[in-house]
Amino acid sequence: EPEVTQTPSHQVTQMGQEVILRCVPISNHLYFYWYRQILGQKVEFLVSFYNNEISEKSEIFDDQFSVERPDGSNFTLKIRSTKLEDSAMYFCASSYSGTVPSEQYFGPGTRLTVT
Amino acid sequence: AQKITQTQPGMFVQEKEAVTLDCTYDTSDQSYGLFWYKQPSSGEMIFLIYQGSYDEQNATEGRYSLNFQKARKSANLVISASQLGDSAMYFCAMTPTDSWGKLQFGAGTQVVVTP
Repeated sequence: EPEVTQTPSHQVTQMGQEVILRCVPISNHLYFYWYRQILGQKVEFLVSFYNNEISEKSEIFDDQFSVERPDGSNFTLKIRSTKLEDSAMYFCASSYSGTVPSEQYFGPGTRLTVT
Repeated sequence: AQKITQTQPGMFVQEKEAVTLDCTYDTSDQSYGLFWYKQPSSGEMIFLIYQGSYDEQNATEGRYSLNFQKARKSANLVISASQLGDSAMYFCAMTPTDSWGKLQFGAGTQVVVTP
């Protein structure tokens, strides 16, 4: 069964450093998303992406964040200068459609720890 | 803005029994989708079931059913014949159809299934 994959599973970085989280969505999916979950809290939407453009972003997704689909398979989230409060689990998700009922399939997540 | 409320932080249920997880939502949108996801201790998010706001019948997927009461704005998840593997965090989520990909999650309910 096709699945969303994410690398690395765990990333430790120092405050102020740049990190890139990588995702490979399901191959025939067209819509891609990033969510985060701070430990013990609920899952929060960050950004949605379609046709090489951001479709929607939350207030969390400020100028420190960017997304990219550098090739036909990868979807990345970059945090330019990490802060302690960026420590969280980051989930990538994909769906076939973004305009009709279509469940989002989530990857296993990348745990980001900022020290 | 939407708000998802899950009032049960944790529940114990005996194996083979049914359990109902509560979810209420607040939205001014007329058209929206409701989802339930399962998050085991390993951390991944697993899609369980979907209900559209205009669907007249309650959604069912195997042992999962969604008790949708639109007038009360509730979308409770019923798990029948609980199994030990059902022990996990369960999240209710919704999205308006004009912003389909932007899932908003509730705080979650931790379910522990006991032998």
